[in-house]
Amino acid sequence: DVKVTQSSRYLVKRTGEKVFLECVQDMDHENMFWYRQDPGLGLRLIYFSYDVKMKEKGDIPEGYSVSREKKERFSLILESASTNQTSMYLCASSTFWTYEQYFGPGTRLTVT
Amino acid sequence: SQQGEEDPQALSIQEGENATMNCSYKTSINNLQWYRQNSGRGLVHLILIRSNEREKHSGRLRVTLDTSKKSSSLLITASRAADTASYFCATEGLIQGAQKLVFGQGTRLTINP
Repeated sequence: DVKVTQSSRYLVKRTGEKVFLECVQDMDHENMFWYRQDPGLGLRLIYFSYDVKMKEKGDIPEGYSVSREKKERFSLILESASTNQTSMYLCASSTFWTYEQYFGPGTRLTVT
Repeated sequence: SQQGEEDPQALSIQEGENATMNCSYKTSINNLQWYRQNSGRGLVHLILIRSNEREKHSGRLRVTLDTSKKSSSLLITASRAADTASYFCATEGLIQGAQKLVFGQGTRLTINP
């Protein structure tokens, strides 16, 4: 079975802190994605990557950056966390040839 | 860039009844997917239906697609308490060589025992 893991289920950070969210997949998938999920807004794509060291902006990239140094790992970075970045963050991966995305369990981030 | 929109936003039924959720979208698609999300967890892929298919079954799930109306429905038959979850439809676009999904806001389904 495909497994996507995220480094933390719950995270509490202070305003202005630099935050790293890690995602690892074990199925050699080319594509990896970061979403945030907020009530009433659904899932919104922050960044995605279709290859090592490649990244593309999604719908809401402002305030975020990403890193993909290895194929299996995709990191989301909040350079200076703000309270409006309090959200559920979901990582997903997929192969180039299939449309199904596999999701991690999510990280619920609270910025105080 | 919301593509799919689910209807209703919330649905509450008795165990054993059938549950129907609808999804409408705006642009042409190659396929449409449905996902389930249990409370506070990640999404799980349920079923994919291609644009040239009208109906697809998987266990107690039945998905229909009407491309002329740009709509899809998900039917869960003989519902169980474990079906309590949020259900999302998702349509795809190919951007920069990567398949990108656009999700609706979901239908919150509650199965009452």
